[in-house]
Amino acid sequence: GENVEQHPSTLSVQEGDSAVIKCTYSDSASNYFPWYKQELGKRPQLIIDIRSNVGEKKDQRIAVTLNKTAKHFSLHITETQPEDSAVYFCTKSLYSGGGADGLTFGKGTHLIIQP
Amino acid sequence: NAGVMQNPRHLVRRRGQEARLRCSPMKGHSHVYWYRQLPEEGLKFMVYLQKENIIDESGMPKERFSAEFPKEGPSILRIQQVVRGDSAAYFCASSPTGQGGDTQYFGPGTRLTVL
Repeated sequence: GENVEQHPSTLSVQEGDSAVIKCTYSDSASNYFPWYKQELGKRPQLIIDIRSNVGEKKDQRIAVTLNKTAKHFSLHITETQPEDSAVYFCTKSLYSGGGADGLTFGKGTHLIIQP
Repeated sequence: NAGVMQNPRHLVRRRGQEARLRCSPMKGHSHVYWYRQLPEEGLKFMVYLQKENIIDESGMPKERFSAEFPKEGPSILRIQQVVRGDSAAYFCASSPTGQGGDTQYFGPGTRLTVL
């Protein structure tokens, strides 16, 4: 499948500030974009996802935006807390419609919340 | 409701031995995906299986790697004649419906070390 470019690779913010992670992709077929959070030595956990029929989705302090024309999507975390420290991965599904398929992962952003 | 289970959690093999990794999906899920994660990198899709069928193995190396998901029992990822480059964390995920955009839930992973 096509790659997903994710940046920054490391992001350090002060507790209480906002964090933004951005991803871009190149294919036109992808229509499902989940974000996963992975703490050290743990499994990836889904934190929010968005499908191509919407441009924005919010869940408490977490929001995701999608610009399908420009082929980029972003994760926004507001009022960051120490427990937000982890590696965050943007992902996309390989094919549109039809059956399920494997996810393509970005390389990850290591988010560090400074006290 | 038990989540995705994987065993063993840690596996040590010497070069040339075989590694068998097991994955039990969430209750009610019949779709399983395997991913490999090298240190400091994102997950790479390997294979997608339904019960008794391989749906997509486009990410699986052509040699030494195989996967199955029998009618009864867990899904198994098998690596024959392991080499040092196979050292990684192997995650499986499961999903409920097999529809496009299906949410994938990850297991805790198996960390394979090849000596």
